[in-house]
Parts: sequence; structure tokens; C-alpha cells
Amino acid sequence: DADVTQTPRNRITKTGKRIMLECSQTKGHDRMYWYRQDPGLGLQLIYYSFDVKDINKGEISDGYSVSRQAQAKFSLSLESAIPNQTALYFCATSEGMEGLTSGELFFGEGSRLTVL
Amino acid sequence: GENVEQHPSTLSVQEGDSAVIKCTYSDSASNYFPWYKQELGKGPQLIIDIRSNVGEKKDQRIAVTLNKTAKHFSLHITETQPEDSAVYFCAVGGTSYGKLTFGQGTILTVHP
Repeated sequence: DADVTQTPRNRITKTGKRIMLECSQTKGHDRMYWYRQDPGLGLQLIYYSFDVKDINKGEISDGYSVSRQAQAKFSLSLESAIPNQTALYFCATSEGMEGLTSGELFFGEGSRLTVL
Repeated sequence: GENVEQHPSTLSVQEGDSAVIKCTYSDSASNYFPWYKQELGKGPQLIIDIRSNVGEKKDQRIAVTLNKTAKHFSLHITETQPEDSAVYFCAVGGTSYGKLTFGQGTILTVHP
């Protein structure tokens, strides 16, 4: 089984619908992230959480919200989906690193969202 | 915030040739420089990383070099194989605790 699991893997929805993408991890990491991938733009950070009570906006948080239900679960919501939110979404985790600012990210396999 | 530029966007080589991908960054305080490989239908996976106290790091056929003065770092793949075909992303970290800024990605194709 994958260490970082995303559901659903594919979703087609209509403009204005509410969508939730879920992420669960078995790595025991405190830090979790949601990234969006668009062709030619790389990976852009939407939200990140360093523990259950910590939620932070990333570069492109407008139109998105998140919930950290437990150490292992981090969900991304689109309250009212629009076509330009069509993208590939990745959840990732990392260890907390004392004295170092960044470490390896472990990614899920992605959730492809199409908004018509 | 940090700005990361990655070039080229596509790279096509023959099997056995070398491939080089370069990234530049803007924040001189950045101190962590990983490279990720993304195969079709998969999430990105770390292949090598370097921290700012080191100028070069090698792992078998891949290497990363860092020039902090010029604020650029490069991925070098030698003796390329068809299974090296993938999308490669550079990233930069260190100025915001735990966060990475990614480059735009390079599609590498290795022809048999």
C-alpha cells in the first residue's frame, strides 16, 4: 500500500460544485502539504500544515480551503469549483527537521480534477 | 518570495548521452536544493539533493552541482537510459520553514 494515499484519483465536476480531495498518510509525518500542478508551471503550494492545529496559506490559496482532521489526514476543498481549477493536485508529507529548514517531500500519486 | 527558473523545458537525448538541466533562484538565503523525478501517472520522487555547505554531490549516474555565488544549480545525468525519461523538477528551500519552491519542470526523453 502507498504511504501517501489520495482519493479520488480522478474527478470530473461542474462549475459551482463543492469538491473535496482527501489525503491520508502512514509515514507518521507531522507536516502535510497540498500542491497544484499545471503544465509549464511546475508545482505550486496551496496550503500546508505542520501539525494538527497548524494551517498556513501557500502561494495560491484563493478559492481553496483545507482541514487537518488528524496527524494522518489532510483534506483540500474547493467550495465552488471553477474551470481554471482544472489541474493535477498532489498531497505530500515531510518530517519535521530540527535545525534544518527543509527536507524530503513524499508525494501521493495525484488527484486529477476537471471542472467543466 | 523565491523565484525559481528551470531550463530547458524539454530535452531530447540519445541513449548513452549526458543530460544537463539548470535552475536559477533569486533568494541568496536559500540553502536546500533538491531534484525530483516524476514518472507518468506518479507523484514526484526525490532523486538527489544538496545543501548550501556542499558544492557537488554524486549518486551513481546522477550529480548535482551548486554555485551559490551565481545562484544556480544543475542536475547532471550521465550514460542516460530510456528509463530516465520523465519530468524533472528542481526545487529550492530554506527561507520559509519546511517549504519548497519548484521550478517549471523539464521533460526529458531518452531515445533508444
